Amino acid sequence: DAKTTQPPSMDCAEGRAANLPCNHSTISGNEYVYWYRQIHSQGPQYIIHGLKNNETNEMASLIITEDRKSSTLILPHATLRDTAVYYCIVLFLNNAGKSTFGDGTTLTVKP
Amino acid sequence: DGGITQSPKYLFRKEGQNVTLSCEQNLNHDAMYWYRQDPGQGLRLIYYSQIVNDFQKGDIAEGYSVSREKKESFPLTVTSAQKNPTAFYLCASTEDYLNGYTFGSGTRLTVV
Repeated sequence: DAKTTQPPSMDCAEGRAANLPCNHSTISGNEYVYWYRQIHSQGPQYIIHGLKNNETNEMASLIITEDRKSSTLILPHATLRDTAVYYCIVLFLNNAGKSTFGDGTTLTVKP
Repeated sequence: DGGITQSPKYLFRKEGQNVTLSCEQNLNHDAMYWYRQDPGQGLRLIYYSQIVNDFQKGDIAEGYSVSREKKESFPLTVTSAQKNPTAFYLCASTEDYLNGYTFGSGTRLTVV
């Protein structure tokens, strides 16, 4: 499985866009990029996923570079409740769906 | 509402005792997973099961055992062979991998 690299922490002002980067330079052609977030002492929550096209849902947008070696999760209008640890993982669907979550990025949204 | 239920939320055990963590789902998902999380760290895969009566070791299976006798249930036993069992344990399931995991709320195990 491809590994991912994320900054350990980021701050964002409430109401502004939060842009969380992820590097996955060893990603293969059939691996998807997934984003989850974990609020303290809870189970992670699925946010969004993509293969090569940009994706948007009610929670966030996912921008994947053309070479697929990096991606950015965008929370368009961050709120205090978006403070959490955000995990970027790469998943090969034919590998039984198993993956390893790195240490993620701790996003702190400040008033 | 469909979801994954992990119980108990907090569990205390004496060193050397085996303990079983419960994970039940009513989502009709085929695949289920157990992850371990240590403070300030990410999730590491312990065991996973793609179908009933079949399961595979993950990255850190030593000292753990599982069973998958029913589609809805995937209990994890932390044995006395696990040298450092104190951690936060998360169970997850997925229907078709593509739509991501659904996680339970976790069990925090403390061995004293």
